[in-house]
Order: sequence, then structure tokens, then C-alpha cells
Amino acid sequence: SQQGEEDPQALSIQEGENATMNCSYKTSINNLQWYRQNSGRGLVHLILIRSNEREKHSGRLRVTLDTSKKSSSLLITASRAADTASYFCATVLANAGGTSYGKLTFGQGTILTVHP
Amino acid sequence: EAGVTQFPSHSVIEKGQTVTLRCDPISGHDNLYWYRRVMGKEIKFLLHFVKESKQDESGMPNNRFLAERTGGTYSTLKVQPAELEDSGVYFCASSQAWEGVSEAFFGQGTRLTVV
Repeated sequence: SQQGEEDPQALSIQEGENATMNCSYKTSINNLQWYRQNSGRGLVHLILIRSNEREKHSGRLRVTLDTSKKSSSLLITASRAADTASYFCATVLANAGGTSYGKLTFGQGTILTVHP
Repeated sequence: EAGVTQFPSHSVIEKGQTVTLRCDPISGHDNLYWYRRVMGKEIKFLLHFVKESKQDESGMPNNRFLAERTGGTYSTLKVQPAELEDSGVYFCASSQAWEGVSEAFFGQGTRLTVV
């Protein structure tokens, strides 16, 4: 398995519903980030959560991090058709010295489809 | 403020030809990264520049790939000669901070198709 594995691989919901995506990783991290990619476009940074944080909010997004389980979840509340995209989690590893640089290790992503 | 720009957006070349991809990072960002997504697989790190120096090139697949960042501004990624398995989307990203936490800004990517 890969560092940063998301599940489910695909999620289909109706507008207004909540969408939850999960991510698991294998090694110690400095931080975990979530990105969105709309079809044919670049990756857009959504939110970053540090290893010493447990929960973070940004608008309709809520991210949790459980370092004991090496897992994170991304919740999108009151989803909209415009939220249709691929969502990736990516980790920045913590090195032995406790510092890190920005090399991201991505999972395969979750394809979210929100039906109007 | 201009974001990360990549050129070209699409490239179709024949096996054995050479292709050069270009990335212009956000002005002032010392860190520049190249990533690649081969169809059906995860996005994988290729290499990392800090200014003009290669900090980490552990993800470069083989010596057919050459990345440069002259003067610490824009970067090029050359594939010579291209093989079929090089097809995919090549992303460039830049960030400001060195140590600690920093958001990476990605370009739109270059879709490379080798036929």
C-alpha cells in the first residue's frame, strides 16, 4: 500500500449532502494536506493540518487528523455540484531531525461526484 | 499575482523524440517541485529545487530525464528520448518556506502523450 491512501476511491452524492473522504498513511508526518483537482486543471490546495493538530476548519471543509491511527478525514458539508472533483491527501514526512521540506507524497485520490 | 504557469499545456510526440516542459514558479518562491501522474496511478514526486540547486532528485525515473533551473527562476524538464511509459501529466509546484509548514501552489500541468 502507498503512503497516503484515500478511501473511498469514488463517491457519488446528491447536492446538499455531506461528503466524507478518508486518508491513511504509514510513516510519521510533519503535516498532511488536502488538494482538489477539477477535470483537466491543476491541483488546488484546500487545507493543511499539522501533526500536532487534531481538527481544522475552513468554510465548508473540516479536516481531522489522528496520528495514533495515521489517518485523516476530509468532510465537505452541504455539498454543491461545483465540488465535483478529485480529492487528494498528501503528506509531508517528518525527518529524524524534526524538520521537513515540502516534498509531498500523494495518495491515489477520491473522485467525488455531486449530482444537482 | 500570477500563479505557477506551465508550458505547453499539451504535448504529443513520437517515441524517441525530445520534449522540454517549462515551469514558471510564483515570483519569490525558492522551492520548485516537479511531480508526475501516470494514468491510473498516484501523483509522484520527481525532484525538488531550492533556488538553482537540486535538493532532492530521488524521484527522477532514469537518466532520460533532465531538470534544470538556471538562475533560480523558471525550470525546464527535458525528456530525451521519450518512451511510451513517459506519458502522463507533469505538474510543477512552488512554495516559499524552506523548513516547516508551507503551502505548495501547483500549475495546471502539462499533459504529455508519447505515441
